[in-house]
Amino acid sequence: DIQMTQSPSSLSASVGDRVTITCRASQNIRMYLNWYQHKPGEAPKLLIYSASSLQSGVPSRFSGSGSGTDFTLTISSLQPEDFATYYCQQTFSPPPWKFGQGTKVEIK
Amino acid sequence: QVQLVESGGGLVKPGGSLRLSCAASGFTFSDYYMSWIRQAPGKGLEWVSYIGSSSSYTNYGDSVTGRFTISRDNAKNSLYLQMNSLRVEDTAVYYCARRNCITTSCYLDYWGRGTLVTVSS
Repeated sequence: DIQMTQSPSSLSASVGDRVTITCRASQNIRMYLNWYQHKPGEAPKLLIYSASSLQSGVPSRFSGSGSGTDFTLTISSLQPEDFATYYCQQTFSPPPWKFGQGTKVEIK
Repeated sequence: QVQLVESGGGLVKPGGSLRLSCAASGFTFSDYYMSWIRQAPGKGLEWVSYIGSSSSYTNYGDSVTGRFTISRDNAKNSLYLQMNSLRVEDTAVYYCARRNCITTSCYLDYWGRGTLVTVSS
């Protein structure tokens, strides 16, 4: 099984900050990495697919990069609506497609 | 617009059964693979199950294999999850999600808001 490890598990940031979240795969997953945003009581939302492709309707302050085993989600200027938990997910191997453990972005 | 609405959650005793449903609208349901994902209290997202567009392919996470069964009715635009031999650790919010792919890159592009399953005596 491919394991996904996110860091940090939580972070505190202020509105306007640049935020970076890292996801590491236990083996090479090429570009098969997705990022989701999840707020309590809401449906999870796809942000980035194929490591760096922005899902339609997602603000351009979100970006993804990386390939192989190391990936990054960046929020260029944190907005109040961005406080949430973020998950990476690999889809390189056949299902089950595991998620990282999540990174909670909190208000400083 | 695409909508996924889960139902069927509730309180059930350990060892009991429950059937979840997911009503889909706003897209051609029969064209898409579908998934169930869950989130236990205070935990992250966990893959539960996955079904092909014509039900010919199914897949389950290790923790539910042999106890849960995924199915779908394309005529009713509905996805189901039959959960048997429920355990306390199955307590979670259960989400249905649509799989989409561009070439070989796949992702879950729409999710429902979830239905809560509580397993407790």
